[in-house]
Amino acid sequence: DTGVSQNPRHKITKRGQNVTFRCDPISEHNRLYWYRQTLGQGPEFLTYFQNEAQLEKSRLLSDRFSAERPKGSFSTLEIQRTEQGDSAMYLCASSLEQGPYEQYFGPGTRLTVT
Amino acid sequence: GENVEQHPSTLSVQEGDSAVIKCTYSDSASNYFPWYKQELGKRPQLIIDIRSNVGEKKDQRIAVTLNKTAKHFSLHITETQPEDSAVYFCAAWAQGAQKLVFGQGTRLTINP
Repeated sequence: DTGVSQNPRHKITKRGQNVTFRCDPISEHNRLYWYRQTLGQGPEFLTYFQNEAQLEKSRLLSDRFSAERPKGSFSTLEIQRTEQGDSAMYLCASSLEQGPYEQYFGPGTRLTVT
Repeated sequence: GENVEQHPSTLSVQEGDSAVIKCTYSDSASNYFPWYKQELGKRPQLIIDIRSNVGEKKDQRIAVTLNKTAKHFSLHITETQPEDSAVYFCAAWAQGAQKLVFGQGTRLTINP
């Protein structure tokens, strides 16, 4: 499968726990984006990487959120001390180059915080 | 920063009729406008996009038009089929922040 993959697909956690999601982009893509999508809304930008460098972070990304892309390939998004308001679909997308290129989305990780 | 408004939020059309979804954007520097289709429980799929150096682009039953002066762009689906039922999102590329800003989505229902 040469598309964007994400794991796990679903995660249920109790409030206060930490969770980590993984995204594997299309192999030759340099850009990797994280979005959050809540029911009935469009994807909201969280952060992006150009290779291993994190270049932009949204104000939505509180200090409980951290993202890494250590070798410029896969990326992880960690949420510490989860809150019920963190329940959402977390989507990853990748694009070939910097700038306005097509972004291809992964299937997402649905997080439910109880 | 960039802001994208999408209308209508829901749209119901008879099979075979046309559907039009409209979006407006705020940043005149935006130069790339993709449209995504998202079926229930699935990932957003890129269906068509347009860059600011063209006014219209067509791919079979789908077309997108762009009016840079008015800062709006539209998705046109002709000869609609039941499999066109989905949520459609427009987006605009925010050149300064180097990111896509999405509209709120349109739930399109095709009635047989």
